[in-house]
Amino acid sequence: GAVVSQHPSWVICKSGTSVKIECRSLDFQATTMFWYRQFPKQSLMLMATSNEGSKATYEQGVEKDKFLINHASLTLSTLTVTSAHPEDSSFYICSARVGGENNSPLHFGNGTRLTVT
Amino acid sequence: QKEVEQDPGPLSVPEGAIVSLNCTYSNSAFQYFMWYRQYSRKGPELLMYTYSSGNKEDGRFTAQVDKSSKYISLFIRDSQPSDSATYLCAMKGNTGNQFYFGTGTSLTVIP
Repeated sequence: GAVVSQHPSWVICKSGTSVKIECRSLDFQATTMFWYRQFPKQSLMLMATSNEGSKATYEQGVEKDKFLINHASLTLSTLTVTSAHPEDSSFYICSARVGGENNSPLHFGNGTRLTVT
Repeated sequence: QKEVEQDPGPLSVPEGAIVSLNCTYSNSAFQYFMWYRQYSRKGPELLMYTYSSGNKEDGRFTAQVDKSSKYISLFIRDSQPSDSATYLCAMKGNTGNQFYFGTGTSLTVIP
């Protein structure tokens, strides 16, 4: 159980275009999902917390107009990287917790490797 | 000082060896402790989830938490080449959604 599916697994786009990444909880409902960014040999960096039916909460330094998050249902959150630039190239990973329980662990998707040319 | 410290390695062991992976932390409010395994180009996979101090065993994996020393460990017995991955520790307090991650330890098990 507790499967999180993320799509696409990799994407290459041109500078200035937008890319949408989907995150789905397949066998549980997730009122809250989390979007992370991972740089090589560095820890996971929380970008934003996605809340079903309300606005996302962004971490300090993360541009909310650049990284648009939508959490339209209890099983789907999307991250759109708008007007992508080469410095946005990274590994983006979503995660969720079963039932929104405060102390349940995070379950991660398989990540999306974004390359902006 | 970082909230969570983890030696990045790399760690290389022969097949069958016992592997010890460790993290230290500074926040005494942390109550929940996790270990994740991450293969290259994949998302982290939950291996162990423990609350407070003590040991937890699951197959070849044993997680230990020593809250008095602010130190957690993951032991892997009879290590296999398929255990080659990066291992991330994570922890959180009783409230809120904030998880704190180590930088990960890269492990290679040599056949």
